[in-house]
Amino acid sequence: EVQLVESGGGLVKPGGSLRLSCAASGFTVSNVWMTWVRQAPGKGLEWVGRIRSKSDGGTTDYGAPVKARFTISRDESKNTIYLQMNSLKVEDTGVYYCARAKEGSHGYYYWGQGTLVTVSS
Amino acid sequence: EIVLTQSPGTLSLSPGERATLSCRASQTVSSNYVAWYQQTPGQAPRLLMYDAYSRATGIPDRFSGSGSGTDFTLTISRLDPEDFAVYYCQQYGSSPLTFGQGTKLEIK
Repeated sequence: EVQLVESGGGLVKPGGSLRLSCAASGFTVSNVWMTWVRQAPGKGLEWVGRIRSKSDGGTTDYGAPVKARFTISRDESKNTIYLQMNSLKVEDTGVYYCARAKEGSHGYYYWGQGTLVTVSS
Repeated sequence: EIVLTQSPGTLSLSPGERATLSCRASQTVSSNYVAWYQQTPGQAPRLLMYDAYSRATGIPDRFSGSGSGTDFTLTISRLDPEDFAVYYCQQYGSSPLTFGQGTKLEIK
């Protein structure tokens, strides 16, 4: 059974850093494309970025608001992906989800429960 | 970046009625790579449709998707009480991927 469990959220001051984790089970993270999506309180969904599978080069893409500040990576030994967030801003506050598609399909079928990041002084 | 505009912002209907939700893209979405999600308060989104008109696993057939190019539609043929939620469209035809701002479907 596919499971995604995010962790690492919390309260951080503007300009600070935080690293989120998404621990996967039921599949191997290096074999699929993995994505981070966030949602500010009371707002809509925002695509943060993704990491391609190893066979597709393992490269990353990011949304404009986080480019150059956020980095997605993975640790195959832990079967986990990470979102390193630097130079955090108040507007980065929200619930962060990791997600992936079903094999051979599109759209994000599998989602974690989310982890809350609050950026405030 | 492709901007997705959903309309209406809020849709008030009664159970048993038909719902039509629109998603318009600022430019053509490659290969009609559009997905629709349903989200209820406190929950992660749930995938309903992908590739514009393919139903995700486990989604009842009262949900259907249509459209191509820049105009896409999610239709719920007969509203069930559990369908009242917020709906988002997403395009994954070009990077960065983007979501629409959402349509809230509320009980009239």
